[in-house]
Amino acid sequence: GALVYQYPRRTICKSGTSMRMECQAVGFQATSVAWYRQSPQKTFELIALSTVNSAIKYEQNFTQEKFPISHPNLSFSSMTVLNAYLEDRGLYLCGARQGYAEQFFGPGTRLTVL
Amino acid sequence: QQKVQQSPESLIVPEGGMASLNCTSSDRNVDYFWWYRQHSGKSPKMLMSIFSNGEKEEGRFTVHLNKASLHTSLHIRDSQPSDSALYLCAASASNTNKVVFGTGTRLQVLP
Repeated sequence: GALVYQYPRRTICKSGTSMRMECQAVGFQATSVAWYRQSPQKTFELIALSTVNSAIKYEQNFTQEKFPISHPNLSFSSMTVLNAYLEDRGLYLCGARQGYAEQFFGPGTRLTVL
Repeated sequence: QQKVQQSPESLIVPEGGMASLNCTSSDRNVDYFWWYRQHSGKSPKMLMSIFSNGEKEEGRFTVHLNKASLHTSLHIRDSQPSDSALYLCAASASNTNKVVFGTGTRLQVLP
């Protein structure tokens, strides 16, 4: 079956530092990977959508300078939160799709910023 | 920017009752809808999808879609306490890979 893994599941970083999270799709080809942030204040926000052979598209209020994303192949993507502050805390979810099929989610990376 | 609105924000129903959740997209290009359920501390899992006008039933869950009004609804009959969760509606247009989520309806089923 189709599965999506995310690493790490939980992470704590000091304010002003950066942390990288990974997303791996198993059992299907992740032609697109979307990164979301779920926070108590703003619920579900799309950060950016990465489609193979296309430029990564960031949503309003999110930038490549702050959330650089890599999507080197059809099974892996990573995103870094640079210079993390309190407002960056939350659950970061990776959603992967093959074509226009169902989007499968990973378990998320919970980021705590001290 | 495409928006997906869900209502109500929260809903309380008694065990055995009917829960009805609504979702509307503002993007006229949207033609795919999904309903996801997210239990506390877990990632969202897809419940049902609908692409055609009309109704689709799977067990206790029924989804309606009206493409003209870009409105979908999820109905849960014989609600169980285990149905208590955040229900997220997602929409996508066939000309884009982007899946946009609504803010969710938090359902609580009281035993």
